[in-house]
Amino acid sequence: NAGVTQTPKFQVLKTGQSMTLQCAQDMNHEYMSWYRQDPGMGLRLIHYSVGAGITDQGEVPNGYNVSRSTTEDFPLRLLSAAPSQTSVYFCASSYATGSHGELFFGEGSRLTVL
Amino acid sequence: AQKVTQAQTEISVVEKEDVTLDCVYETRDTTYYLFWYKQPPSGELVFLIRRNSFDEQNEISGRYSWNFQKSTSSFNFTITASQVVDSAVYFCALSDLDGSSNTGKLIFGQGTTLQVKP
Repeated sequence: NAGVTQTPKFQVLKTGQSMTLQCAQDMNHEYMSWYRQDPGMGLRLIHYSVGAGITDQGEVPNGYNVSRSTTEDFPLRLLSAAPSQTSVYFCASSYATGSHGELFFGEGSRLTVL
Repeated sequence: AQKVTQAQTEISVVEKEDVTLDCVYETRDTTYYLFWYKQPPSGELVFLIRRNSFDEQNEISGRYSWNFQKSTSSFNFTITASQVVDSAVYFCALSDLDGSSNTGKLIFGQGTTLQVKP
């Protein structure tokens, strides 16, 4: 049982480049989300989705796009990378009902923007 | 506004000491959920506990215990007889129910880094 899988685990970009962080889950969870973790700031929600075809913005959505064409996948796109997007990114999923926020996290993707 | 505050940025203890990690929250919801997650040096996030707003009973799991007090909006976490393996960043989190539906969104505190020295 793979759980939540994120790729790549490490990435270095130059300012202005674009890239996609991949996230896939095999638990048939309706809810998926992306967080970024920065020192002293905890985890902040970027975007989330409550089901296929539905996405919404979190606390820090600027500079990121998401889509949810299938239940399993929730990619995060950086449109034009900036040094301020240097961070560790976590994808998470949970059941839409019942678990009330018990999130299952991927292992994280460390992104550096030069 | 929904908010979680972990005022202790870093705590250092010697093995076998007891340690309490503080968590204070603010919410507009009458029903809500509180969580603790552990992030060991390897970086993954490990779920420790979930508590709903109607259940103020303290919970104990081995060396871990949690004290939920609605009157002070606190959900503190105590590790008894700490061990080196407890060294990690610990996050407290609050559900953001966004009007009653379960969106699965969590609001995290800033985290407390616990170092347990041998």
